[in-house]
Amino acid sequence: GNSVTQMEGPVTLSEEAFLTINCTYTATGYPSLFWYVQYPGEGLQLLLKATKADDKGSNKGFEATYRKETTSFHLEKGSVQVSDSAVYFCALNAGNMLTFGGGTRLMVKP
Amino acid sequence: EAQVTQNPRYLITVTGKKLTVTCSQNMNHEYMSWYRQDPGLGLRQIYYSMNVEVTDKGDVPEGYKVSRKEKRNFPLILESPSPNQTSLYFCASSDRGGPDTQYFGPGTRLTVL
Repeated sequence: GNSVTQMEGPVTLSEEAFLTINCTYTATGYPSLFWYVQYPGEGLQLLLKATKADDKGSNKGFEATYRKETTSFHLEKGSVQVSDSAVYFCALNAGNMLTFGGGTRLMVKP
Repeated sequence: EAQVTQNPRYLITVTGKKLTVTCSQNMNHEYMSWYRQDPGLGLRQIYYSMNVEVTDKGDVPEGYKVSRKEKRNFPLILESPSPNQTSLYFCASSDRGGPDTQYFGPGTRLTVL
């Protein structure tokens, strides 16, 4: 079956540090890949997505590149802010269902 | 305002007492789904619906029922709740006929004693 593996958190960074959250997946076929973000007390929001190999999704300074050869979709941001503190979920869609990773909590300190 | 609403937001109940969590969206989306979120497990899909009167099981459907009589509503029914169904539940919807870009509700925190 399909699965998504994310690095365990929490990830604690100082403001303006570089962020990487690793995500790898297992899926049949050619899934679409997503990063969702969950701010405290809220539902999930789509952060970015990529639908085919070598696509780069980007939004709000975050980026992720769909790497088919390594089955990865790592999330990066060059300079994090305190307001980026949240839980980040990697997910894939290989049919009619989304499969999520376990989530990675990011804490950014001033 | 485009949104997905869920009610109630918080619920404490006892084992075996039937309950329904409502979900409604105002975006005319065809696809709707229910997830549960548990620490360390991420979100797991319970049921989804591709359109009115069409529902399918997700990864963890046991102990849950759903119905899709209208496009905008997708209630989640727990006929006989048990403590292992204590969780945070999210409803979501999307257009394009599948779970592409999903819009999530604010969540319902359920505690079963």
